[in-house]
Amino acid sequence: EVQLVESGGGLVQPGASLKLSCVASGFTFSDYWMSWVRQTPGKTMEWIGDIKYDGSYTNYAPSLKNRFTISRDNAKSTLYLQMSNVRSEDTATYYCTRGGMVLITKHWGQGVMVTVSS
Amino acid sequence: DIQMTQSPSLLSASVGDRVTLNCKASQNINKNLNWYQQKLGEAPKLLIYYTNNLQTGIPSRFSGSGSGTDYTLTISSLQPEDVATYYCYQYNSGPGTFGGGTKLELK
Repeated sequence: EVQLVESGGGLVQPGASLKLSCVASGFTFSDYWMSWVRQTPGKTMEWIGDIKYDGSYTNYAPSLKNRFTISRDNAKSTLYLQMSNVRSEDTATYYCTRGGMVLITKHWGQGVMVTVSS
Repeated sequence: DIQMTQSPSLLSASVGDRVTLNCKASQNINKNLNWYQQKLGEAPKLLIYYTNNLQTGIPSRFSGSGSGTDYTLTISSLQPEDVATYYCYQYNSGPGTFGGGTKLELK
C-alpha cells in the first residue's frame, strides 16, 4: 500500500526557516517524480513545485521559487520542502503527492499544518 | 499564470439531482485539466484526469467534459456521500493552478 507521511510542521515565527519531510513507502520512491501542494486556511490550493525522480531537476511556482527548495533522499525514500523567510501567507496545510505537476495521482499524504505567527 | 475560475462557489442540490460544476481557464488549456474532490479533513481525491477520464474506483455517476477554456464536472445523480468541495486544476502550462473550488451541499 502506498503511503506518504508528512512531518515537520508547527508554529514558526515570521522570517524563520522550516523543513518539511515526507516519508514514502509501498512503492519504489526513486522511480517517481514528487510534488508539494499547499492549502491555505481559506481553502485556496496552490501547487508549490516538483522534483524529478533522481533529484536532478526541480520546478517551482514562480511566486515561491526564491524561498522554497524541494529536495529528496532516495536512499531514505524521503521528500523535503525547505521553507525560508516564511511569511504569514505561508500558513497552510502542506501535502506531498506522488507524481509531477500534472498531479494525475491518487496518492497524497495526509498533510502537515504550518502556522506562521509571532 | 493561468487563472482558473470555478462556478458556482456554492451549490445546493437534492439527492438524485443532476449537478453541473463549471471551470473556466483564462486561456486555452488543451484539455489538460483534472477534477478533485475534497471532503472535510481529508486530502483531495482525484476524480477525473485529462478532462474526461474517470480515475479507477470512482463511481460512474461522475463525468467530465470540455475543451479550450471551458470545462464541466457532472454528477448524474447526486448521492449524500458526494457532499464535498470540488476543485479543477490545469497542468497545461506551469505553474499548475487550481480553481477556487465549488462547495456542494445537500438541499
